[in-house]
Amino acid sequence: DSGVTQTPKHLITATGQRVTLRCSPRSGDLSVYWYQQSLDQGLQFLIQYYNGEERAKGNILERFSAQQFPDLHSELNLSSLELGDSALYFCASSVVGGRGRGSNEQFFGPGTRLTVL
Amino acid sequence: DAKTTQPTSMDCAEGRAANLPCNHSTISGNEYVYWYRQIHSQGPQYIIHGLKNNETNEMASLIITEDRKSSTLILPHATLRDTAVYYCIVRGSNDYKLSFGAGTTVTVRA
Repeated sequence: DSGVTQTPKHLITATGQRVTLRCSPRSGDLSVYWYQQSLDQGLQFLIQYYNGEERAKGNILERFSAQQFPDLHSELNLSSLELGDSALYFCASSVVGGRGRGSNEQFFGPGTRLTVL
Repeated sequence: DAKTTQPTSMDCAEGRAANLPCNHSTISGNEYVYWYRQIHSQGPQYIIHGLKNNETNEMASLIITEDRKSSTLILPHATLRDTAVYYCIVRGSNDYKLSFGAGTTVTVRA
C-alpha cells in the first residue's frame, strides 16, 4: 500500500459525458501527478501540481483539467469523453516537486479504470 | 525521444538473481536513473534510484557504470511475485515527471 488513494476504482460512462477522478496523496506529500495508461500509448504523464499550483504539463488534452485543493487532494476532470479516453488513470505523489530539489521518488495510487462506451 | 533502452522481455528462475540491464548513453550529469515496476495493471511501484554511486535497498540493488551510460537492476532472489514490467527511467533534477518507455517484462518461473 503506497498511501496514495484514488476514487473511484472503476468508472463506466458514455461518450460526451464528464467525469471527475479524485486522488488523496500520502500524508506530508505536497506534489501530485496524474498519468494516463492506455493500451496503445503506455504510461503518459498528464500534469503535476505542487502545493496547489500547477507545476508541469505533459500530454494533457484541452478537454481535461485538474486542480489541487488546500488540503492537497487533487481532482482530474475529463469532459466531452471519447472512446479513446478509456484508460487507467494513475495519481502519484511525492514530498518535493518544486524546482531545484534534486531527486524525489513518486508513489502511485491503485488507479481508476475509466471505460467510455 | 526515448532516453533509455531495455530488453523487451526476460525470464528468470525463482530463487535466482535477476539482472535487468538498461542503456542510457545520452544521460547528462544531473540526471538520475530510476527504476519502477508495474504488476499487472496495478500502480507503478518505486524500486530504487541513483545518480552516480551504486545503491542498495531492501528490494534491489542498482549498479551504475562509471561512465553512467548504462545500469543494471539486480533483484537478489527473485520470487513469483516479482513478475512484472520493469521500467528504467532517466529524470533530470529539475524535471519531476516520469517518462515511461515500454519497459522489460520479467517473468519469474518456478
